[in-house]
Amino acid sequence: EVYLVESGGGLVQPGGSLRLSCAASGFTFSSYWMTWVRQAPGKGLEWVANIKQDGSEKYYVDSVKGRFTISRDNAKNSVFLQMNSLRAEDTAVYYCATTPNTGYQGNWGQGTLVTVSS
Amino acid sequence: DIQMTQSPSTLSASVGDRVTITCRASQIIHGWLAWYQQKPGKAPKILIYEASTLESGVPSRFSGSESGTEFTLTISSLQPDDFATYYCQQYNHHPLTFGGGTKVEIK
Repeated sequence: EVYLVESGGGLVQPGGSLRLSCAASGFTFSSYWMTWVRQAPGKGLEWVANIKQDGSEKYYVDSVKGRFTISRDNAKNSVFLQMNSLRAEDTAVYYCATTPNTGYQGNWGQGTLVTVSS
Repeated sequence: DIQMTQSPSTLSASVGDRVTITCRASQIIHGWLAWYQQKPGKAPKILIYEASTLESGVPSRFSGSESGTEFTLTISSLQPDDFATYYCQQYNHHPLTFGGGTKVEIK
């Protein structure tokens, strides 16, 4: 069975940084793109970033470009989201998800809440 | 960016009803569309990908179709477990984009 467990969320002040982690198990991690999707409180889903199997391609939504960095460690079956210069509008539950080559999100983690507030 | 316009935003229906949710893409996406179901406090769940391919384990009352840039999710006979919010997503072009969601409520 596929398991995705996010961690690293919490309360941070505007301008601060957080690093989210997603530990994967139950599938061949190195065979999948991986994706981060977020959901602000009471709002819809927003795709944030994804990364190719070998890390050679990365894509971001415009609102996080230059501030967030997605990375992965295939030896540790983990994907990460480094979030810098955080803003109030980054407050959301962040989900990691597996992504077949075609691009949709197959399996999802339970999410981790990031709150940006002073 | 490709805009995904989903309608209606809210839908009230009864158990046994046939329900249809529509998603319109701002440009051709060649069928690269997924549908997700989300219940309160839970992660989304994939239902359909490539516009009409049912994910393994998803009940056959769910179906998807495509006509140009318009996509439809149909629930043939609404069940109690189906009251949830549904999202479409295009994955033809980065940035991937979701529709605004359709909340299916009990009538």
